[in-house]
Amino acid sequence: EIVLTQSPGTLSLSPGERATLSCRASQSVSSYLAWYQQKPGQAPRLLIYDSSNRATGIPARFSGSGSGTDFTLTISSLEPEDFAVYYCQQRSNWPPLTFGGGTKVEIK
Amino acid sequence: QVHLVESGGGVVQPGGSLRLSCAASGFTFSSFGMYWVRQAPGKGLEWVAFIRYDGFNKYYADSVKGRFTVSRDNSKNTLYLQMNSLRAEDTAVFYCAKDRGAQLGSFDYWGQGTLVTVSS
Repeated sequence: EIVLTQSPGTLSLSPGERATLSCRASQSVSSYLAWYQQKPGQAPRLLIYDSSNRATGIPARFSGSGSGTDFTLTISSLEPEDFAVYYCQQRSNWPPLTFGGGTKVEIK
Repeated sequence: QVHLVESGGGVVQPGGSLRLSCAASGFTFSSFGMYWVRQAPGKGLEWVAFIRYDGFNKYYADSVKGRFTVSRDNSKNTLYLQMNSLRAEDTAVFYCAKDRGAQLGSFDYWGQGTLVTVSS
């Protein structure tokens, strides 16, 4: 099973700042990594698939990069609605499909 | 637009059974793989089960293998999860999610979830 480790656990930033979230895989997942955003009481929403492809309707301030074992989700300038929990997920070698433990982006 | 609506959650005693449903609309249901993903209270996401568009491939997380069964009725645009021998650790919000394709392992749309509570 591929284990995904997200860091940091919590990111405290102000609106307008840049957010950089990390996801590290226990073995190579090629580019088969996705990012999801989840707000309290809501279902997750797909942001990025296959490392760098924005999903339908996702603003350009969200970008993803990486391959192999190290991946980054960048939010170029935080909007108030971006404060949420973010999860990475791999589909390289499944089953099982696995998620990281999440990074909470909170208002500083 | 894509719409997924889960139902069937509730409170059940340990060892009991429950069947979840997910009604799909806004896309050609019979062309896409479907998933169940759960989230225990205050915890992260855990993939539970997958079923291919035609129902012939099914995969399960080890934590539910032998206890849960995923199925679909393409004539009714509905996904199911039969859960037997439920345990306290199965308490979670269960989401159904749509694959981006037939069997890509990637979820592009999610329902709002249904809460399953296993407690005596």
